[in-house]
Amino acid sequence: KNEVEQSPQNLTAQEGEFITINCSYSVGISALHWLQQHPGGGIVSLFMLSSGKKKHGRLIATINIQEKHSSLHITASHPRDSAVYICADETSGSRLTFGEGTQLTVNP
Amino acid sequence: EAGVTQSPTHLIKTRGQQVTLRCSPISGHTSVYWYQQALGLGLQFLLWYDEGEERNRGNFPPRFSGRQFPNYSSELNVNALELEDSALYLCASRVMGSPSPQHFGDGTRLSIL
Repeated sequence: KNEVEQSPQNLTAQEGEFITINCSYSVGISALHWLQQHPGGGIVSLFMLSSGKKKHGRLIATINIQEKHSSLHITASHPRDSAVYICADETSGSRLTFGEGTQLTVNP
Repeated sequence: EAGVTQSPTHLIKTRGQQVTLRCSPISGHTSVYWYQQALGLGLQFLLWYDEGEERNRGNFPPRFSGRQFPNYSSELNVNALELEDSALYLCASRVMGSPSPQHFGDGTRLSIL
């Protein structure tokens, strides 16, 4: 059974702090997705990666295929980064299995 | 470029009724995905359509069905609604043929009374 686990479930930080969210998956995948969901439900795709590391602005995503683990880092966090961050693995058949999400709150 | 659009944004139904949700993908995207996010639960994969065909299906009963039209827009139909069908239903689209992210719509919030 394919399982995706995220940690922590909830994270509170002060503005400017470096943030890390972790994601572990259980089966071989074709890609790992990081998504951001704001209150109200809209989802934005942040990264899709199958190896190595990707960077976009203050966001960095890494993946270790051997260890079946990925991390999302936010540098110099800001209150506007407050959202739910969700990782999802993509297996054959373009099927995404989602983690439970990490609720991030960044206080000014 | 217009994003993925879903309609309606909100819907209230009663148990036993039927509902149809609609999704228009980004121009040029041939694949459409449907997801369910029930209150307190994570996102779950429902259906994947590509080039008018159902390509994959999640662990949902047959009363959840859909289709994709020649213009790549899609409908999700849910028959015999049950209280636990109350959820946010999200549609996403992507370009097939090469690895690419999925682009999500804002969702339809369905409430069953």
